[in-house]
Amino acid sequence: EVQLVESGGSLVQPGGSLRLSCATSGFTFSSYWMHWVRQAPGKGLVWVSRIKTDGTTAYADFVKGRFTISRDNAKNTVYLQMNNLGAEDTAVYYCARRYSESNGNYPFDPWGQGTLVTVSS
Amino acid sequence: EIVLTQSPGTLSLSPGERATLSCRASQSLNSIYLAWYQQKPGQAPRLLIYGASSRATGIPDRFSGSGSGTDFTLTISRLEPEDFAVYSCQQYGDSPYTFGQGTKLEIK
Repeated sequence: EVQLVESGGSLVQPGGSLRLSCATSGFTFSSYWMHWVRQAPGKGLVWVSRIKTDGTTAYADFVKGRFTISRDNAKNTVYLQMNNLGAEDTAVYYCARRYSESNGNYPFDPWGQGTLVTVSS
Repeated sequence: EIVLTQSPGTLSLSPGERATLSCRASQSLNSIYLAWYQQKPGQAPRLLIYGASSRATGIPDRFSGSGSGTDFTLTISRLEPEDFAVYSCQQYGDSPYTFGQGTKLEIK
């Protein structure tokens, strides 16, 4: 069974840092792109970052220079290092796997259950 | 950045009825990299449709997708009680992979 389990979310003060983890199992992690998507309370889904199998990364403009995505294929885990956090970063953060390992463009599935990040003083 | 606009914001229907949800893109999605997700309260999104019209694994055939260019539709042929949720469209052609704001399908 494919599983994605996020952790690391917590209450953090403005300007602080946090590292989220997404531990995976049930598939060949090194063969899949991975994504982070966030959802502020009562709001829609917003893509945050992606890392390809070769380590190439991409970010939404609103996190560039503040967030860093990385992966450890030996641990089947993807990370999101978040620095200089602001109230607008308060959200549930989901990790998600690319739907297929085949060439081409694919959406996201499955998703983890999410981890809540709250930025407040 | 491609902006996706979903309508209506809320759709009130009864079980057994047909639901039609719309997603409009700010520019043509030339390669039809359009997906639909379902999300229930407190749960992660679940992929329903990709490539505008292909059902994901395990998705019932009452869910169907159509459209091309800038206009896309998710249709649920006969609503089951478990179908009442929020539905979001997404374009995944290239980053940033944008989502629509969602349509809430509620029981009338």
